[in-house]
Amino acid sequence: EPEVTQTPSHQVTQMGQEVILRCVPISNHLYFYWYRQILGQKVEFLVSFYNNEISEKSEIFDDQFSVERPDGSNFTLKIRSTKLEDSAMYFCASSNSGLAGGPGVRETQYFGPGTRLLVL
Amino acid sequence: GQNIDQPTEMTATEGAIVQINCTYQTSGFNGLFWYQQHAGEAPTFLSYNVLDGLEEKGRFSSFLSRSKGYSYLLLKELQMKDSASYLCAVRVGTGFQKLVFGTGTRLLVSP
Repeated sequence: EPEVTQTPSHQVTQMGQEVILRCVPISNHLYFYWYRQILGQKVEFLVSFYNNEISEKSEIFDDQFSVERPDGSNFTLKIRSTKLEDSAMYFCASSNSGLAGGPGVRETQYFGPGTRLLVL
Repeated sequence: GQNIDQPTEMTATEGAIVQINCTYQTSGFNGLFWYQQHAGEAPTFLSYNVLDGLEEKGRFSSFLSRSKGYSYLLLKELQMKDSASYLCAVRVGTGFQKLVFGTGTRLLVSP
């Protein structure tokens, strides 16, 4: 069964350093997302991406964050200058259809295993 | 604003039935999802409702009432491996869809 993959599984970095989190979405999916989950808290939306551009971003997704689809398979999240409060699990997700439409699981977002980021 | 409420914790016995409730008040609604999340792992998709009524999928069923802003996830014949957090998420927006998650309900299944 196709699945979303993410690398690395764990990342430890010093405050102020740049990190790049990588994701390979499900191959026929066109819509990509990043979410994060601070330990013990709820999953929070960061950004959605379609057709090589950001379609929506949350207040969390400030100028320190960027996303890119550098080739036909990878989808990356970059944090330019990490802060202590960026420590969280970062999940990539993908779906076949981002737009509201008829009922069906094609709109379901499938999540990768996550990257646990620890900023010291 | 977006508000999704779930009970924080529930306990149940192996073999029993448990119902996890979710109420939501969101700006826009384009479907409600239930995900299962084991500690330290990714959310995995369980069910999806966009129309009122019950969706059944094996041991799991999910119900939606849009007029009441209410959903529940029903788990039957509980197994120890069902111990996990269950996340209610509402898809909002008119264009590209983001999910707004509740805080999750931690379910503990005991022998």
